[in-house]
Amino acid sequence: NAGVTQTPKFQVLKTGQSMTLQCAQDMNHNSMYWYRQDPGMGLRLIYYSASEGTTDKGEVPNGYNVSRLNKREFSLRLESAAPSQTSVYFCASSENRGTGQPQHFGDGTRLSIL
Amino acid sequence: AQSVTQPDIHITVSEGASLELRCNYSYGATPYLFWYVQSPGQGLQLLLKYFSGDTLVQGIKGFEAEFKRSQSSFNLRKPSVHWSDAAEYFCAVGAKKAAGNKLTFGGGTRVLVKP
Repeated sequence: NAGVTQTPKFQVLKTGQSMTLQCAQDMNHNSMYWYRQDPGMGLRLIYYSASEGTTDKGEVPNGYNVSRLNKREFSLRLESAAPSQTSVYFCASSENRGTGQPQHFGDGTRLSIL
Repeated sequence: AQSVTQPDIHITVSEGASLELRCNYSYGATPYLFWYVQSPGQGLQLLLKYFSGDTLVQGIKGFEAEFKRSQSSFNLRKPSVHWSDAAEYFCAVGAKKAAGNKLTFGGGTRVLVKP
């Protein structure tokens, strides 16, 4: 049971390059999330998808776009990478029957932008 | 909007000693509360959760947490720490009826375990 799988695990980009981070879950969860983790700031929500076909902005959406490709997959795109986007990115998923369901996390993508 | 504060950025504890990690939240009603642990290079793993009912909740790896409404706190405890407990710990709060089941995380507490 893989849970939440993120690819790639590591990536180095140059300023201005674009890339897409991939996330897939095999738990049949309705909701999916993208976070960034920076030292001392915990996890901050970038975008989320409450259910297939919907996406919404989180706390720090600027510079990012997302696509909920199907129920399993939720991708995060950096159109023109900036050094401020150097971070560890986590994807998560959860049930969305009511609220209060725990989120399940992938192992992260470590992204450096030079 | 809800918020979470973890006042201690780093805690060092000796192996076998007790551990308590503090978490304070801000929310207008009874929230959903979670503790997660992150080992180096890994994602976050759920330790325990509070939804309602008994204010003392038991989790995995011998951890427990107590919800205190009067103090807006949800502190995590372990009676005897093992070297494998060295990790970063995150407290999170979820609001009832929050669209998409969103969580707000604290800044984290890094735990170092001395032999």
